[in-house]
Amino acid sequence: DAKTTQPTSMDCAEGRAANLPCNHSTISGNEYVYWYRQIHSQGPQYIIHGLKNNETNEMASLIITEDRKSSTLILPHATLRDTAVYYCIVRAISGGSNYKLTFGKGTLLTVNP
Amino acid sequence: NAGVMQNPRHLVRRRGQEARLRCSPMKGHSHVYWYRQLPEEGLKFMVYLQKENIIDESGMPKERFSAEFPKEGPSILRIQQVVRGDSAAYFCASSRNSGGSTDTQYFGPGTRLTVL
Repeated sequence: DAKTTQPTSMDCAEGRAANLPCNHSTISGNEYVYWYRQIHSQGPQYIIHGLKNNETNEMASLIITEDRKSSTLILPHATLRDTAVYYCIVRAISGGSNYKLTFGKGTLLTVNP
Repeated sequence: NAGVMQNPRHLVRRRGQEARLRCSPMKGHSHVYWYRQLPEEGLKFMVYLQKENIIDESGMPKERFSAEFPKEGPSILRIQQVVRGDSAAYFCASSRNSGGSTDTQYFGPGTRLTVL
């Protein structure tokens, strides 16, 4: 699976949009971009995933660049409860051992009051 | 619809004892994955199981660790003769299928194992 690069940490004011970037310049055409988050002492929580089109659900939006080499997770109105480590993961669509999720160090997002 | 359940949430063992960690997947899910998170590190894949079958145990230490997912009941991760280095958070995830384009893994709350 392609390697991802994320900033170590970010801050965001409560109520503002949080934009979390992820670089995956070696992504291949059959790889999805997944986002999970881990609030302190809890299990990872699935947020969203996409292939090449932008995606939106009740939690967040995922914007993938046209060349697919980077993406941005957007939390439209961050709350204090969104403080967590956010992981960007590239995962093959099928085949091989695509079930193995590779968690890097992620981005620690701190939402400030 | 209940999520992935794990128990116990916290487990304390002395060196040399056995630890048994349980995971009940989400309803309708027949694929279970175990991950380990050492202190200050990311999650690492350990093992992938389907009902009564171990599909991939490449991430699990060959000694002392075993996993099962019986036809009935939860998946069990067993660690025999625990050592202090086994202290970690162990997370279970489940998915409806595996290998497909949208087989998202959903995680449980984890079991925090402390070895004294």
